[in-house]
Amino acid sequence: GAVVSQHPSWVICKSGTSVKIECRSLDFQATTMFWYRQFPKQSLMLMATSNEGSKATYEQGVEKDKFLINHASLTLSTLTVTSAHPEDSSFYICSAPGAGGPGSYNEQFFGPGTRLTVL
Amino acid sequence: AQSVTQLDSHVSVSEGTPVLLRCNYSSSYSPSLFWYVQHPNKGLQLLLKYTSAATLVKGINGFEAEFKKSETSFHLTKPSAHMSDAAEYFCVVSASYNTDKLIFGTGTRLQVFP
Repeated sequence: GAVVSQHPSWVICKSGTSVKIECRSLDFQATTMFWYRQFPKQSLMLMATSNEGSKATYEQGVEKDKFLINHASLTLSTLTVTSAHPEDSSFYICSAPGAGGPGSYNEQFFGPGTRLTVL
Repeated sequence: AQSVTQLDSHVSVSEGTPVLLRCNYSSSYSPSLFWYVQHPNKGLQLLLKYTSAATLVKGINGFEAEFKKSETSFHLTKPSAHMSDAAEYFCVVSASYNTDKLIFGTGTRLQVFP
């Protein structure tokens, strides 16, 4: 099956610094990718939709200036947490849908996640 | 708006006994429903999906789920639990009919005892 990777798998940073997380589709192209946030022992919350070649669309309540998303190529989306604070500590997961286009009920392929800890 | 409710946050079973993870959905149209499993330190994996072709859906690793419109349910079952089934399970619904956006339930942690 298709593989999605994330880098880094974990990161620790100081408050006020910025952190970039990469999401790559390794053996397929993805014009759309999704970014989720998962708090400990909780569900996944969709943060934003990353669109190749255009601006990301953010879910209600997600600060677009805090969570910068760039989808520079058909295999790479990046999430940058700017001026990170302890409350940004979380598990960040990306996903990419299979071929067929929106609404075609294709499997989504998830990355293994990135654990961010802000001190 | 689409939503799913997972009725149990934790389920514990003995190895070799049946598994039942319950999920109810709310949808303004005929939904697409999925079950995903999350093992520690691994990406979420699709177990099975319902897309209106058949109400009884068979998935990987012996799991299956039945779509019951009258009960707005999509419960996940397995006849005989294995130790390797211990994980977090998410019931998921598509956000709308023309999107790949997904809405996750709160998850059910399955424990399997020897």
